[in-house]
Amino acid sequence: RKEVEQDPGPFNVPEGATVAFNCTYSNSASQSFFWYRQDCRKEPKLLMSVYSSGNEDGRFTAQLNRASQYISLLIRDSKLSDSATYLCVVKGAGNNRKLIWGLGTSLAVNP
Amino acid sequence: DAGVIQSPRHEVTEMGQEVTLRCKPISGHNSLFWYRQTMMRGLELLIYFNNNVPIDDSGMPEDRFSAKMPNASFSTLKIQPSEPRDSAVYFCASSLTGTTEAFFGQGTRLTVV
Repeated sequence: RKEVEQDPGPFNVPEGATVAFNCTYSNSASQSFFWYRQDCRKEPKLLMSVYSSGNEDGRFTAQLNRASQYISLLIRDSKLSDSATYLCVVKGAGNNRKLIWGLGTSLAVNP
Repeated sequence: DAGVIQSPRHEVTEMGQEVTLRCKPISGHNSLFWYRQTMMRGLELLIYFNNNVPIDDSGMPEDRFSAKMPNASFSTLKIQPSEPRDSAVYFCASSLTGTTEAFFGQGTRLTVV
């Protein structure tokens, strides 16, 4: 089993739709979680951190479920500019604090 | 701030040649990371430095790969000799130790033919 797994998609949705991505992780000791966004042929950029209580940033909501070891990203009222690949990132604890990256979920928002 | 600067942006080389990728981290950042990204394997951490010292190089594929950070504002990743399977996008990223956000350079797209 991969350390961080995501559905690669692609997710094709119309403008204005709500779309959700899940990401599962294998190491129950993982401490920190993030969503990064990567546009085509560009570098990854931090979208948001994921907190235990869940957090929201405008149209984006991130949730963490430690019991089931998954995190989610919800995008409401999707825009054309949301089209990108969304990377799930998990940071370990203790001596292993490397960032472990998922392969990404591709989203295409269509007019 | 100019952000993380990588050079070259694109590199096409013949198998067996030496390739050197360069990175200038954000001023003041003391952690530097080299990543490789391919469609099949995604983003893989090759090596990271903290205060110019290599902390974890377990991701370096083999002896053909080497990385240096002679000072806080410069790092290199060298592949010698290069092979076609090294073709990928190589990213450099920097951050402040203890913070969570890594800032990436625009990457070097390497093609080995």
